[in-house]
Amino acid sequence: EAGVAQSPRYKIIEKRQSVAFWCNPISGHATLYWYQQILGQGPKLLIQFQNNGVVDDSQLPKDRFSAERLKGVDSTLKIQPAKLEDSAVYLCASSPDRSYEQYFGPGTRLTVT
Amino acid sequence: AQSVTQPDIHITVSEGASLELRCNYSYGATPYLFWYVQSPGQGLQLLLKYFSGDTLVQGIKGFEAEFKRSQSSFNLRKPSVHWSDAAEYFCAVVPITGFQKLVFGTGTRLLVSP
Repeated sequence: EAGVAQSPRYKIIEKRQSVAFWCNPISGHATLYWYQQILGQGPKLLIQFQNNGVVDDSQLPKDRFSAERLKGVDSTLKIQPAKLEDSAVYLCASSPDRSYEQYFGPGTRLTVT
Repeated sequence: AQSVTQPDIHITVSEGASLELRCNYSYGATPYLFWYVQSPGQGLQLLLKYFSGDTLVQGIKGFEAEFKRSQSSFNLRKPSVHWSDAAEYFCAVVPITGFQKLVFGTGTRLLVSP
């Protein structure tokens, strides 16, 4: 079974630029999550999708972050414009319906200079 | 306030020695409990989980964890550490009331000395 795929693995941008991350969850997993992991901290949930609907985006800075999950499969997370404090690893995870077990992708390390 | 605490930021263990990583939680009702491991450049991998039942839980890679309700703890243990166990370990919980999202501790970095 293929795992959660993410791209790119690394991205360096200047502040005020925009960036997008892509995630392909495990086939058949209804729930998809985006987390932000700042160096030295545990991952923090940004947004949770159930199929293609948003379940929770209370921690998503909506003035600059946006996310979508087209057709209930792949998802993209966008930052526009980026700030220095957005430097972090962005993790995507997925889980089967009605399960608390989440499967994580390798993450995208974003550096904002 | 509801929280997950991992009091040790770093731990160094000699290869072959035993390991215990501490995790405490502060929730009104016992949440679902998890341990994840994150190797450098990798995503998080689930080691084990506790929902109910036997308080000693076996996981992958030779890890186990013990749930102690009286201490609000869920400590991770391994009897003999291998160099490949060097990684960051995260305790996490899913509250059983309210919005059930995974909440992580700040992590413990394990260093393994020869």
